Parts: sequence; C-alpha cells; structure tokens
Amino acid sequence: EVQLVESGGGLVQPGKSLRLSCAASGFTFTTYWTHWVRQAPGKGLVWVSRIRNDGIETNYADSVKGRFTISRDNAKNTVYLQLNSLTAEDTAVYYCGRVPMAAGGMGIDHWGQGTLVTVSS
Amino acid sequence: QSALTQPASVSGSPGQSITISCTGTSSDVGGYNFVSWYQQHPGKAPKFMIYEVSNRPSGVSNRFSGSKSGNTASLTISGLQAEDEADYYCSSYTSSATWVFGGGTKVTVL
Repeated sequence: EVQLVESGGGLVQPGKSLRLSCAASGFTFTTYWTHWVRQAPGKGLVWVSRIRNDGIETNYADSVKGRFTISRDNAKNTVYLQLNSLTAEDTAVYYCGRVPMAAGGMGIDHWGQGTLVTVSS
Repeated sequence: QSALTQPASVSGSPGQSITISCTGTSSDVGGYNFVSWYQQHPGKAPKFMIYEVSNRPSGVSNRFSGSKSGNTASLTISGLQAEDEADYYCSSYTSSATWVFGGGTKVTVL
C-alpha cells in the first residue's frame, strides 16, 4: 500500500524554524518527484515546492523562495522541507505528495494526511 | 504565480450535470496539457480525480470528465450524487517549472 506520512509540524514562534518530514513506503520512491502543498485554515491549496527523484532539481513558489529548502534522503525514503523565518502567513497544513517521473506533468496521484504548522507568539 | 481562477461555488440537484471552470494564462493552463483536478472533503487530504486535462486515474468514476479550451480547463460531473459534495481544485504546470492551484470551488448538491 502506498503511504506518505508527514511529521514535524507544531507550534512555532515567528522568525523561528521547523523541519518537516515526508516518509514514503509501499512504492519505488526513486521513481517519483515529491511535492509539498499547503493549505491555510479555511483556505485553498497552495503549491510550495518540488524535488526530483535524484534530489538535484528543486523548484519553489515565489512566496517561500529563499526561506524554505526541500531535500531528500533516498536511503531513508524521506523528503524534508526546512522552513525558516516563519511568519503567521505560513500557518497551514502541509501535505506531501508524489508525481511519477515518467509523467512529470501528470499531477499528484497520492497525498499524505498532512501536518499542521502554526506560527504564533 | 497567480492562482488559477475558479468559481467559488457551483450547485446542482442530484442527477444533474455541473461544470467547474479553471482559467489561467498561456503560461500555465493554455501552454501545457498538464492540468489536474482534485476533490477534497472536509478534514481530508485531496484526492486525485483527473490528470493531463482529461484522463481519469483508475478507480475514479466515469461521471467525472475534464476538458480544455485555450486558457480555460473544465471539470464536468454528470449524474451528480450526494457524495460529490466537496471542494474541487484545478492545478497546472507553469512555464516557470512550478505548479499553481486554483482557488477552489465548493460543490453543493441541493
């Protein structure tokens, strides 16, 4: 069974940092891109970042570029999202999802259940 | 990276058909056949419904169909059922090698 499990969310003060993890199982991790998408409370989905299967290519939304860093450890089947200089506008549920390398424009075919990040003093 | 434009809400009676539009630009929806659609029930993770404009993943009902004309993609739900009541989001690849989502459409079954 395909599983993506996010962790690392929690309450953090403005200006601080947090690292999210996305642990994958049940499929060949190295044949997929991994994306992060966030959803503020009561709001819509917003794409955040993606990383290629080899970890070399990464892309970011303008709203997080320079503050967030995506990385992956293929030996651990895990993708990370480092969140720095957090503001209240970063408060959201963060989802990870996979996209097949063979069809990189296909869309996110499996999603995790999300991890909540709350930025507040 | 402006969000794609979707109507805030669409409603229909059971058995009817409804269509949700998703308007972008030639740098996203109009430039690529990489439009996907997602269904999200309250408190749940999104579910993959349509990919590459008009393809259905296995397990998705054939009552769901997608299309595109110019810079606007559309999702049609035919034979509307109570379980279809949810939020729906479109997404597209962009010329900046990023992705963008629409603002979401709340579907209400009357």
